[in-house]
Amino acid sequence: EPEVTQTPSHQVTQMGQEVILRCVPISNHLYFYWYRQILGQKVEFLVSFYNNEISEKSEIFDDQFSVERPDGSNFTLKIRSTKLEDSAMYFCASSEEGRRYGYTFGSGTRLTVV
Amino acid sequence: AQSVTQPDIHITVSEGASLELRCNYSYGATPYLFWYVQSPGQGLQLLLKYFSGDTLVQGIKGFEAEFKRSQSSFNLRKPSVHWSDAAEYFCAVGDPLEYGNKLVFGAGTILRVKS
Repeated sequence: EPEVTQTPSHQVTQMGQEVILRCVPISNHLYFYWYRQILGQKVEFLVSFYNNEISEKSEIFDDQFSVERPDGSNFTLKIRSTKLEDSAMYFCASSEEGRRYGYTFGSGTRLTVV
Repeated sequence: AQSVTQPDIHITVSEGASLELRCNYSYGATPYLFWYVQSPGQGLQLLLKYFSGDTLVQGIKGFEAEFKRSQSSFNLRKPSVHWSDAAEYFCAVGDPLEYGNKLVFGAGTILRVKS
């Protein structure tokens, strides 16, 4: 069964450093997403991406965050200057036709900012 | 305000017993409805989905869910729970009247299975 692959599975970074979280969505999917889950809290929407541009973003997704699809297979989330409160599990997801049929999620990257 | 509520934070059931996990939503129109499961260290796996048609939906791993418009609910059920079902379960909702493709997740229910 096709999978969404995320790397790394764990990332520890110093506060103020830039991090890039990487994702390889399912190859025939057209919609890509990032969500995050702070420990003990809800899974929260960050951003959706379609046709090489951001189609929707949440209030969380401020100027410190950016997404990119640098080639035909990767989808990245960059946090420019990490803060302690960015510590969370970050999930990438993709879907073939928007959300009606649900997404396929990756296993997540646990980001710890120290 | 639009919201998704999973009233039970933890549920413990005996292996072989039946299970029902509750999900209530507050949306104007019939939303897109989903249940996801997250095992420790794993991502979110889609169990089942509903957006129209038969209100009783069958999913993977023997799960089903029933959409009840009058109760604004989409409860997840399984007739006989196995130890491997121990995980965290999330209800998620998409608003068809809202532009975009985001989903809003409930807080999750942690299922423990005792032998």
